[in-house]
Formats: sequence, C-alpha cells, structure tokens
Amino acid sequence: QVHLQESGPGLVKPSETLSLTCTVSGASLSNYFWNWVRQPPGKGLEWIGFVYYSGSTDYNPSLKSRVTISLDTSKSQFSLKLTSVTAADTAVYYCATVDTTLSYYFDYWGHGALVTVSS
Amino acid sequence: VMTQSPDTLSVSPGERATLSCRASQSVGNNLAWYQQKPGQAPRLLIYSASSRATGISARFSGSGSGTEFALTISSLQSEDFAVYFCQQYNNWPPFTFGPGTKVEIK
Repeated sequence: QVHLQESGPGLVKPSETLSLTCTVSGASLSNYFWNWVRQPPGKGLEWIGFVYYSGSTDYNPSLKSRVTISLDTSKSQFSLKLTSVTAADTAVYYCATVDTTLSYYFDYWGHGALVTVSS
Repeated sequence: VMTQSPDTLSVSPGERATLSCRASQSVGNNLAWYQQKPGQAPRLLIYSASSRATGISARFSGSGSGTEFALTISSLQSEDFAVYFCQQYNNWPPFTFGPGTKVEIK
C-alpha cells in the first residue's frame, strides 16, 4: 500500500517561493509519475505537474514558468517549488501517484497540505 | 476542457444518481472518476471509463466513451454524499479534471 505525506510551511508571503515535500512509503520510486495537484478552497482540482523516477518532468502549461518538481530517491521524497506566489496560489496541495505500468489516472493521494499566501 | 452536470444533485437515500461528464474532444476511454468528501483527498472510484478501482462498491458504475461519460450510483447510501470529479488522461499534458458534481441529501 502506497502512503504519501505532504509537509512544508502552511503560510507563504506574496512574491515568495512555496516549497512542499512529499514523503513516499510502500512503493518503489520506479514506474510512477510523482504528481502535485492543488485545490483552491471550495474549488476544483488542478494538476500542477509530475517528476518521473528518471528525473524527467512535465508541467501544466499554465504554471510551467513558476514550477519545479524534483525527486530525491535517497530520501524517497519528491518536492514542489512554486515561485512568485500570489493569493491565487492559496490552496490545498496534494501529492499523488500515477502508476505508468497501468495507465495515467491518480491512484494514491496524500492527505493534502493547506498553503495560504498572505502577508 | 472537461465539463460536468449537474453542479449539484439532490437525491434521497436509496435512490439512483446519474452524473454526467463531457469532454470537449474525444478522450477515448481514458477517463477516471473520483469521490471527495469534506476535508479529505480525492479517492479513485473508476478508471478506463468503466473499471472499478480496488475496493470500490459495485454500487458505482461508469459508462461512456469518446466525449460523453456517466457515473451511476445505484441505491445511494449515506457515505456516498460527496463531490465527484471526472478526469481525462488521454490528451496530456495537462491532465484535466471536471469542475465536480456535488451529490447532496434531498
């Protein structure tokens, strides 16, 4: 059973960088896309991007200029950095897996981390 | 672009609910459905348009292909009242979700 746990600051100031980490247990890092998905309060889900175990990445074009997702295999973690944040980036941020040996739906999710952008 | 209808569906316990999801272009059968309860992460219900995920009740069934899809919940139970999202994974990036349908108690 795959378990994902998000961690990081719950409050970020406008124009600064949002940083979150997802710790993985119960799964090998290979054969998965390791994703970030966010959900503004009371709204829908937005895919941010993923990192593959090879280190390759793909991002939502709407966020691509501000996003970096990276993988630390030694710690079984992957991370999200979102630069130049504004209030519109306030959301619950989820990490989620896509098992590429099956297809491209999100089969495991973390509990989510609320990040508020405010001065 | 993924759209869902209705925005909110009011249903009595024990009744049947049918939720719709439409894609602006064909996604084949590369569509998933998720259930989300307040304060919780989404949970995978259906993948490949009609396959139930592990541990999901047979009350949930998915159908459709191309651009028109449906999620049917037969005989709604109290734990089924939630928000339901569809997601396409045929034309990516980006992976895209519908705006959701809230199923509430009538």
